[in-house]
Formats: sequence, C-alpha cells, structure tokens
Amino acid sequence: QKEVEQDPGPLSVPEGAIVSLNCTYSNSAFQYFMWYRQYSRKGPELLMYTYSSGNKEDGRFTAQVDKSSKYISLFIRDSQPSDSATYLCAMRRGSGGSNYKLTFGKGTLLTVNP
Amino acid sequence: DAGITQSPRYKITETGRQVTLMCHQTWSHSYMFWYRQDLGHGLRLIYYSAAADITDKGEVPDGYVVSRSKTENFPLTLESATRSQTSVYFCASSESTGAGEQYFGPGTRLTVT
Repeated sequence: QKEVEQDPGPLSVPEGAIVSLNCTYSNSAFQYFMWYRQYSRKGPELLMYTYSSGNKEDGRFTAQVDKSSKYISLFIRDSQPSDSATYLCAMRRGSGGSNYKLTFGKGTLLTVNP
Repeated sequence: DAGITQSPRYKITETGRQVTLMCHQTWSHSYMFWYRQDLGHGLRLIYYSAAADITDKGEVPDGYVVSRSKTENFPLTLESATRSQTSVYFCASSESTGAGEQYFGPGTRLTVT
C-alpha cells in the first residue's frame, strides 16, 4: 500500500461547482498536511497547509483533515476556469531531520469548464 | 530576483554525457530538495539537503550526485545520463521551522537522446 493515495482523475466540472479533492494515507505519524496546485508546465505552488486535525479556510478553498480516518480533503467553492490544474496533496511527520521530507500524492487533474 | 530559480529551463543531451542542473534560492532556507516528475509516478524525491555540506538520499538517488557548498545553491549532476532520466526536474526549498512548507522552482525539462 502506498503511503499516500490520491485519485488521479481526471475530474471535469462546470464553472461554479463545488469541487472535492481527497487523499488517504497510511502513516499515522503524519502531522502536517498541505495542498499544492500545479498548472501545466509550471512548478507546484503551495495553496495551504494544516497541522493535525481540523479545518482551515482561505477564500474559496477549505482544507479538512480527519486523522482518525487518515483522510484529507480540499474543497473549492464557486470553481473558476482558472482553477483548472493538477492538485497534489502532501504530508510530513513532525519536526527535525528527515521529517522535513514531504510525501506527495500523485495529483488529481481538475478541469473547470466555462 | 527573490525566490527560487532553476537553470537551464530546457536541456537536450545525449546518453552518457554529464549534465548539471542548477538551483538557487534567495530566502536562506535551510532545506533544499530535488524531485523528478514523471507521468504515472508523480513527484519523487531524488536528494535533499538539511544545510550546507549535509545531503541525504531520497527515493530515487541512483545515477545522480548532489553537493551543497553554499546555503543558496544545490546543483544536481547526472554523471552519465540515460534515457530513463528524461524527466522534469524540480528544485524546492523550505525553512527548518513551522510547517516546513516547500517552495518550488519552475522546473528543468531534460531530454536524454
């Protein structure tokens, strides 16, 4: 079993839809959870991160972490064509040494149609 | 310019040649990372560095060499390029505190013929 599983999609939605992107993981030591957005032929850019369980909101984006289920989600409200990209989840263990390595999901390709 | 830069952005080389990809960051971040991204595999860590003169292997280190004599630079060398090393290479950096979120460069698209 991979440490981090992410459905690659592709996911296609109409403009204005609510998008739900998800990852599951197997390592209970993960404490920091991140979402990256990657446009075609660009480097990944950090969208947001959360520490441990709970929700975090930033504009149209909400990140949720459920450590008991080992499940994280990213919700995009009022999706826009400019949200069309690959979304990667990433996570890592606590502080110190090799714990600063991130483990990435393979990414979900999202297309928002006008 | 502030941030993280990579050079060259595109490179075509022949099998057996040595190639060095450059990475430079202006934030004085402690950690630096090299990834390759391939269809079906996602991002895979090649090497990382916790500080100048401290480096360690990642998931796919074979055929690659790194060095870090200065905090801001982290070059990646392919000693004898093979076709299987055709990929997009990303460099990233992060602080050694807090969430340790990584910031990525724009990538180098390498083709080995």
